[in-house]
Amino acid sequence: TQLLEQSPQFLSIQEGENLTVYCNSSSVFSSLQWYRQEPGEGPVLLVTVVTGGEVKKLKRLTFQFGDARKDSSLHITAAQPGDTGLYLCAGAYVGSSNTGKLIFGQGTTLQVKP
Amino acid sequence: GAGVSQSPSNKVTEKGKDVELRCDPISGHTALYWYRQSLGQGLEFLIYFQGNSAPDKSGLPSDRFSAERTGGSVSTLTIQRTQQEDSAVYLCASSLLAGGGREQYFGPGTRLTVT
Repeated sequence: TQLLEQSPQFLSIQEGENLTVYCNSSSVFSSLQWYRQEPGEGPVLLVTVVTGGEVKKLKRLTFQFGDARKDSSLHITAAQPGDTGLYLCAGAYVGSSNTGKLIFGQGTTLQVKP
Repeated sequence: GAGVSQSPSNKVTEKGKDVELRCDPISGHTALYWYRQSLGQGLEFLIYFQGNSAPDKSGLPSDRFSAERTGGSVSTLTIQRTQQEDSAVYLCASSLLAGGGREQYFGPGTRLTVT
């Protein structure tokens, strides 16, 4: 069974603090995506990483893909209340890359207090 | 253009009843996915359609669950003889093409409550 372990599951911080969310697996990904989901809505894609060691930045968000393509992290600098939401990592494993079938982590609920 | 739409947005049903959930993908998207999400949790893959190929049903939890996609567009997920553990949000997503790294566009989901 292919599993994606995401941590922490819940994070409550003050505005202005930094945070990191981790996504780990024992299997190799062909690609990994990070989504953000707000209550009552579907997830919205933030970024896709494909190459081992890849780093992508989206404003205050930095996404890193592990060299071995088994893990990823999302770092948020100076968090804002608008960053509040459920963050999900999702991986396409080698072998499933032709279908786009994704395995999702259990999510990290982020609450940023003003 | 219009995004992925799902109906109904909310469905309350009695245990043992059948339910049908509908998904209208983005026009032109050939890949369609169904997922299930429990409160505050990640998404559980259910089924995947790609063009005229046989669907990947590997995520369906039991034979009470089935789905079809007519004309390569609209999809219906059917749950027969619903159980309380079926209560969840059912999300549909579509993608222009299948393949790793392809962005999946999600609908708002159908919240199913089985009483």
